[in-house]
Amino acid sequence: DAGVIQSPRHEVTEMGQEVTLRCKPISGHNSLFWYRQTMMRGLELLIYFNNNVPIDDSGMPEDRFSAKMPNASFSTLKIQPSEPRDSAVYFCASRLRGSSYNEQFFGPGTRLTVL
Amino acid sequence: KNQVEQSPQSLIILEGKNCTLQCNYTVSPFSNLRWYKQDTGRGPVSLTIMTFSENTKSNGRYTATLDADTKQSSLHITASQLSDSASYICVVSEVGSQGNLIFGKGTKLSVKP
Repeated sequence: DAGVIQSPRHEVTEMGQEVTLRCKPISGHNSLFWYRQTMMRGLELLIYFNNNVPIDDSGMPEDRFSAKMPNASFSTLKIQPSEPRDSAVYFCASRLRGSSYNEQFFGPGTRLTVL
Repeated sequence: KNQVEQSPQSLIILEGKNCTLQCNYTVSPFSNLRWYKQDTGRGPVSLTIMTFSENTKSNGRYTATLDADTKQSSLHITASQLSDSASYICVVSEVGSQGNLIFGKGTKLSVKP
């Protein structure tokens, strides 16, 4: 298995632009998580899905952030409009809910820089 | 408030030496505790997972301990190697949280030759 796949790996954009981050979870997994990592705050959960349905989006910082999961093999995290303080590494993780320890497997991350 | 605190924030050791990283948590009710290793530019990878009833678990040169009474955990690295240079993140899961994880900010370990 290729693991969790994220694209792009790096994104540099200007303030005000729309940014879309993509994630392909591990095949067969039924939960998907979006995280943001910064030096100051570490890893923070933004939103997670069970069976493509958003369960908890309380970590989404503002209405500028939105996430979708149209099917079991694809999810997007969109920021519109982007701001410099959104600069961070965004991770997607997936798991098979009910598996041993509910283990989450992380993707390589997307490093976002907003100028 | 559920929190996970790690110390030290960063650590530099010489290759071949041992080291111990600390984690204190206030998460309740406790489900399990994990240690993740995160290499630069990569996502976190699980090293060990311990439940309430487990007080030690090893993964090669990595040994994690858990004291559920004092809500403390440690990760001991034996005979460190250059490839151990990474951030080590302590993560705690709360019962009934659907597996949602509470992350510490990590300890950045640098192993020097």
